[in-house]
Amino acid sequence: ETGVTQTPRHLVMGMTNKKSLKCEQHLGHNAMYWYKQSAKKPLELMFVYNFKEQTENNSVPSRFSPECPNSSHLFLHLHTLQPEDSALYLCASRIGGDTDTQYFGPGTRLTVL
Amino acid sequence: QKEVEQNSGPLSVPEGAIASLNCTYSDRGSQSFFWYRQYSGKSPELIMFIYSNGDKEDGRFTAQLNKASQYVSLLIRDSQPSDSATYLCAVNERGGFQKLVFGTGTRLLVSP
Repeated sequence: ETGVTQTPRHLVMGMTNKKSLKCEQHLGHNAMYWYKQSAKKPLELMFVYNFKEQTENNSVPSRFSPECPNSSHLFLHLHTLQPEDSALYLCASRIGGDTDTQYFGPGTRLTVL
Repeated sequence: QKEVEQNSGPLSVPEGAIASLNCTYSDRGSQSFFWYRQYSGKSPELIMFIYSNGDKEDGRFTAQLNKASQYVSLLIRDSQPSDSATYLCAVNERGGFQKLVFGTGTRLLVSP
């Protein structure tokens, strides 16, 4: 699905580093999501934004900080992460309203050393 | 605790056979149901969605929904080796459109 892009695709960082993940959607959607996917676990919803406003924070630790400057861009700022935060981080978007189909970006494979 | 349950597999079928993937969900008020395919190292790709009881067909794929039994399935006819992937079932939360609950996925292996 080339309509949702994520950068970087791979990231290795130390526990004291600060980095950011970026998501951009070119579909004209109004809702954007961050998910975490760890091995052997279901996709975990982290954050939801509707029309740039955060509408869901699924008890995510404060070392993950989302930012949504407009409906097309979503960031996930990372600081002081732990090795157990290593996972595939997926961004998704949805057109909004009463349509609930979500489309995923390619993901960022994050490794915390 | 809303849950979506899937057998992790792997489900092994020979090429050309019908693969049947199953999913149960706990929230009786769920309104819409999705099947995503995820290749190893890739992101989930939407295959089908279904809202009403019964069958919905799209090419080689058929989704089946039984709300009374809280059961949704995906049939893949004429399975191909390229269908080998993990299939994720997702269910929306009651009363809302924005949150999906995902199962852990079933790994499908189609052998030539």
